Amino acid sequence: EPEVTQTPSHQVTQMGQEVILRCVPISNHLYFYWYRQILGQKVEFLVSFYNNEISEKSEIFDDQFSVERPDGSNFTLKIRSTKLEDSAMYFCASSDGGQDTQYFGPGTRLTVL
Amino acid sequence: EDQVTQSPEALRLQEGESSSLNCSYTVSGLRGLFWYRQDPGKGPEFLFTLYSAGEEKEKERLKATLTKKESFLHITAPKPEDSATYLCAVQARETSGSRLTFGEGTQLTVNP
Repeated sequence: EPEVTQTPSHQVTQMGQEVILRCVPISNHLYFYWYRQILGQKVEFLVSFYNNEISEKSEIFDDQFSVERPDGSNFTLKIRSTKLEDSAMYFCASSDGGQDTQYFGPGTRLTVL
Repeated sequence: EDQVTQSPEALRLQEGESSSLNCSYTVSGLRGLFWYRQDPGKGPEFLFTLYSAGEEKEKERLKATLTKKESFLHITAPKPEDSATYLCAVQARETSGSRLTFGEGTQLTVNP
């Protein structure tokens, strides 16, 4: 069964450093998303991406964040200068259509020291 | 602003003891309501999508129902392996980017 994969599973970084989280969405899916979940809190939407551009972003997704689809299979989230409060689980998701079910990856746990 | 409230926050059941989880929502035109299961340290795993009031979906011991203001996830004769956090999320018709708004989840523990 096709699934979303994410790497790394755990990333530890120093405050102020740049990190790139990687995702391989389900092949033939056209819509891609990033969500995050701070420990003990709810899953929060960050950004959605379709046709090589951002289609929606939340208030959390400020200038420190960027997304890219560098090739036909990968989808990345970059945080330019990490803050302590960026520590969270980051989930990538993909869907076939905009109204279709979003399938989530296993997540990357980001720890900012 | 879209809002999702789930209750109870936590639920402990004995194996075989049926119960229901509630998801109340406020959204400006519902496109879809989604139920996911999340195990500790893992990503949400899709269970059901409901699109209109009166709709019901079933899968093994789980059954999801939808009204205009809330959704229920009924668990019949649960087993210990059903222990997880169950998440409810809504997608508004007006969203340009298909954003899902999640509730806090209900943490279910089923004791043998």
